[in-house]
Amino acid sequence: GENVEQHPSTLSVQEGDSAVIKCTYSDSASNYFPWYKQELGKRPQLIIDIRSNVGEKKDQRIAVTLNKTAKHFSLHITETQPEDSAVYFCAASIISGGYQKVTFGIGTKLQVIP
Amino acid sequence: EAGVTQFPSHSVIEKGQTVTLRCDPISGHDNLYWYRRVMGKEIKFLLHFVKESKQDESGMPNNRFLAERTGGTYSTLKVQPAELEDSGVYFCASSYGTAGSGANVLTFGAGSRLTVL
Repeated sequence: GENVEQHPSTLSVQEGDSAVIKCTYSDSASNYFPWYKQELGKRPQLIIDIRSNVGEKKDQRIAVTLNKTAKHFSLHITETQPEDSAVYFCAASIISGGYQKVTFGIGTKLQVIP
Repeated sequence: EAGVTQFPSHSVIEKGQTVTLRCDPISGHDNLYWYRRVMGKEIKFLLHFVKESKQDESGMPNNRFLAERTGGTYSTLKVQPAELEDSGVYFCASSYGTAGSGANVLTFGAGSRLTVL
């Protein structure tokens, strides 16, 4: 089955700096890569996703990149703010029709220091 | 629209007891998933319902876990008898299940934290 590796497990950055979280996946059939943010005590929420036919996607201060050949994908947060502090999960998924099986990474706890 | 709701938010039980967790997905979502996160580890897949049918239950740890989705609406996850290693946060998520943009986005519930003493 699919295996998703995520690192680092913890990340501290100064407010205003950039943060990068990297993931690798094992199953070349994976075609959908969502990223979830879980704030303390809250539910995981989708912040951005990318499909396998796209190499990069950006939404304001957040961007994701995907290298299908190397089976790598990354989350980049620029100009970090204290409210970016949370646990971030990457995931790899195989979508077949409307159904999918999502495999998550271990999570990265991001702390933005004011 | 109402989100995915889970009950209870936190349950503390003793080893050997039984606990039943409930998930109400977003109305109209055919796909319902159960996941579990043990402290400091990944969100691990348990099983997937499509309407009332089990599409994939490959992640269920053992036969102490029983999931149902009667009528294709809400779902329950029963742990009987509970063991110490069952402690964790159990998440439910749902999605539409038809092809198209946004159809595959998982919406998570807030989770049910289970503590087995």
